[in-house]
Amino acid sequence: GAVVSQHPSWVICKSGTSVKIECRSLDFQATTMFWYRQFPKQSLMLMATSNEGSKATYEQGVEKDKFLINHASLTLSTLTVTSAHPEDSSFYICSARGGTSQTLPQETQYFGPGTRLLVL
Amino acid sequence: GQNIDQPTEMTATEGAIVQINCTYQTSGFNGLFWYQQHAGEAPTFLSYNVLDGLEEKGRFSSFLSRSKGYSYLLLKELQMKDSASYLCAFMDSNYQLIWGAGTKLIIKP
Repeated sequence: GAVVSQHPSWVICKSGTSVKIECRSLDFQATTMFWYRQFPKQSLMLMATSNEGSKATYEQGVEKDKFLINHASLTLSTLTVTSAHPEDSSFYICSARGGTSQTLPQETQYFGPGTRLLVL
Repeated sequence: GQNIDQPTEMTATEGAIVQINCTYQTSGFNGLFWYQQHAGEAPTFLSYNVLDGLEEKGRFSSFLSRSKGYSYLLLKELQMKDSASYLCAFMDSNYQLIWGAGTKLIIKP
């Protein structure tokens, strides 16, 4: 299979603090990882694309200094929400591609379970 | 340009069949994905089509027509647990996924 984990699954923090979310590919090496955000009853919004060992590519409108992404290895990417504010409260989901499958393209994205962030 | 479109919401009855359509426009195409997303959870992979035709996988089938820029997801013998959002996404020439907004499927007993 192609299993992706995220930690933590739930975060509650005070305004102004920083929060780090980890995304791991457990049984494959992920050449690329993606970070999405989803507000209630809205569609997935791609925030950034992260390749191992290089700087992340951020989507238009996403502040790279606020959402720090590190992809230090082929199995781990982290998203740090710096100086979080209530409007950053959302469901953050990572996905990874690079899994091996005989029937699916290597570009298939496998999603982590998501991290729900609540900033008070 | 690129765009992808699917209905916002659909309602169906338990035990029935429902077809969720997805249309797209793109100059480069490397396949189309369907994902299922239950409320409060991350998406899970359902199907992938890169050639024209119907792919059947149990109660779920997915169809693709590349010439028409059209796909559908067919769900048979609907169960209450099928209530979820269904996301279609195509892979463009750069192998990036372009996501639809999702179709919320409501199953009624």
